[in-house]
Amino acid sequence: AQSVTQPDIHITVSEGASLELRCNYSYGATPYLFWYVQSPGQGLQLLLKYFSGDTLVQGIKGFEAEFKRSQSSFNLRKPSVHWSDAAEYFCAVGAGGGSNYKLTFGKGTLLTVNP
Amino acid sequence: DAGITQSPRHKVTETGTPVTLRCHQTENHRYMYWYRQDPGHGLRLIHYSYGVKDTDKGEVSDGYSVSRSKTEDFLLTLESATSSQTSVYFCAISDLTANEKLFFGSGTQLSVL
Repeated sequence: AQSVTQPDIHITVSEGASLELRCNYSYGATPYLFWYVQSPGQGLQLLLKYFSGDTLVQGIKGFEAEFKRSQSSFNLRKPSVHWSDAAEYFCAVGAGGGSNYKLTFGKGTLLTVNP
Repeated sequence: DAGITQSPRHKVTETGTPVTLRCHQTENHRYMYWYRQDPGHGLRLIHYSYGVKDTDKGEVSDGYSVSRSKTEDFLLTLESATSSQTSVYFCAISDLTANEKLFFGSGTQLSVL
């Protein structure tokens, strides 16, 4: 079974600073990997996804993520954070084949942005 | 935004009472999911549906049942609500599989007293 670990529960950055949110996954084959964002009181929105091809994936809102198979990681990055990026971020892993109905989510990283 | 409506948005109920949450979509997507979100646990899959009358259990299905009699509606029932079921419940839909993209509703805050 697949699993996801987000080591950082809460991160605080200053507006304009760079950001990296960590995600480590466990899955036996090539995984489908996702980052979702949740603003307060809202549902989740997909930022980006990876399955194959270029290991550096571009998403919405200026975010990108890099798949590193050797480290089982899929870290999310943004070069300059805006106050509107304050939200909770979830990494998720999906399986292929017959189990492709289900995503497994990490526990989330809450991002606070200081002015 | 994807057309997903969850009802009610907030509900307070008593232990032992049956509760039904509704998810309605206007996207004609095949797959529908119910997740619960709890602090420190992220999102956990309760049940999902891959077509009308086709449903299956997720990782935290005990105490919950679902029904899907129409493409657009997916109902989640707490047969006898317990305090441990106090949570925020999210419905999600996807057109192909969860490995494509999930669209989420705005959630239902359920409190079981």
